[in-house]
Amino acid sequence: GAGVSQSPSNKVTEKGKDVELRCDPISGHTALYWYRQSLGQGLEFLIYFQGNSAPDKSGLPSDRFSAERTGGSVSTLTIQRTQQEDSAVYLCASSLDLADNEQFFGPGTRLTVL
Amino acid sequence: GDSVTQMEGPVTLSEEAFLTINCTYTATGYPSLFWYVQYPGEGLQLLLKATKADDKGSNKGFEATYRKETTSFHLEKGSVQVSDSAVYFCALSGLVNYGQNFVFGPGTRLSVLP
Repeated sequence: GAGVSQSPSNKVTEKGKDVELRCDPISGHTALYWYRQSLGQGLEFLIYFQGNSAPDKSGLPSDRFSAERTGGSVSTLTIQRTQQEDSAVYLCASSLDLADNEQFFGPGTRLTVL
Repeated sequence: GDSVTQMEGPVTLSEEAFLTINCTYTATGYPSLFWYVQYPGEGLQLLLKATKADDKGSNKGFEATYRKETTSFHLEKGSVQVSDSAVYFCALSGLVNYGQNFVFGPGTRLSVLP
């Protein structure tokens, strides 16, 4: 595709519900990254994938967060039992490969937990 | 762990003024350094990068030099325009035991007045 796409663009959910956020990287990009941007804060790195593999999951804020990538393309970030502090913009980025540092960012998903 | 510190904003300048946004980092090893920009209503995009000491990244009139001795990567532009109004993020990427590490600063909001 032309760029990184994310869906939904906005998600409002009730506390305790599960949500799934989707990222479509640029075609041919093998590396994919998830970040969280809370109001007034910088970007918090969550996890990256090289192909379908995520070597380190320690950046995920809690065990309610999980991410997967299948087929070396689309990735989903799942938040179970959402809490109000999960409200943020979730950004996805991709790069040609891990050695190529230039990341291309998607527009983000704004998550609001009521 | 690795970290990035950048000057707090907001920074307000008049058109054609000189811009400096300070960025310093702490990291093990030899990270790559970046400046990303987020224009109003848009996603993050790479502005410039430097991958080794003394490298100078430049783009759109912006420059930053990788200074290992002072662990800095300050962003400069000689004459800002209203269209430069945006949030600027300093970031680093480096190898760690488990793979790759990505750290962003909190961002500096720049407003340029006509």
